[in-house]
Amino acid sequence: ETGVTQTPRHLVMGMTNKKSLKCEQHLGHNAMYWYKQSAKKPLELMFVYSLEERVENNSVPSRFSPECPNSSHLFLHLHTLQPEDSALYLCASSQFLGYNSPLHFGNGTRLTVT
Amino acid sequence: EDKVVQSPLSLVVHEGDTVTLNCSYEVTNFRSLLWYKQEKKAPTFLFMLTSSGIEKKSGRLSSILDKKELFSILNITATQTGDSAVYLCATPVDAGGTSYGKLTFGQGTILTVHP
Repeated sequence: ETGVTQTPRHLVMGMTNKKSLKCEQHLGHNAMYWYKQSAKKPLELMFVYSLEERVENNSVPSRFSPECPNSSHLFLHLHTLQPEDSALYLCASSQFLGYNSPLHFGNGTRLTVT
Repeated sequence: EDKVVQSPLSLVVHEGDTVTLNCSYEVTNFRSLLWYKQEKKAPTFLFMLTSSGIEKKSGRLSSILDKKELFSILNITATQTGDSAVYLCATPVDAGGTSYGKLTFGQGTILTVHP
């Protein structure tokens, strides 16, 4: 069991659905992240939050909407997704934003858009 | 644009073999290089390297950084089936002296260890 918990583990949704991914970290970290991992492509950063404030939005389409209500929880709200959005979505946290603060990842949500 | 390239992309060995995974990088302002192991789910942190020539070791795994030649290697000795995973290397992006927590990842090396 990692210190970063993601739910659900798997999600299948149609293009007109609205769903949310949830992430919770039990490590007392101050920064949280959403990464996307598509088949045969490197991990791509989507969003970064530090102390509940968004500090990076890596040119992500508006059909992905993050929310960070407190430093332990991070959500990714999904609506009108496309089939090419099917991927593994990984949440991560780090003690602080900094070059020497390694990321701790959750197990991910495997998303399939039909 | 920062770039991280790993080789080989995949590797198949037998238990007991020793493997060397490579990671080369081109970044504007190098800060550190990180190695992760991913077994179908959460990437787990292995090493962070900031200084050249200093080996980091954890059990059968070790890693070293060469800042002059811009690469790092990850060695695994006496491999076991449980070492089968994707090994990722990454380096933080320096956004003008500020870290936004963005890592540039390589595409990973898929290691398969047969019994």
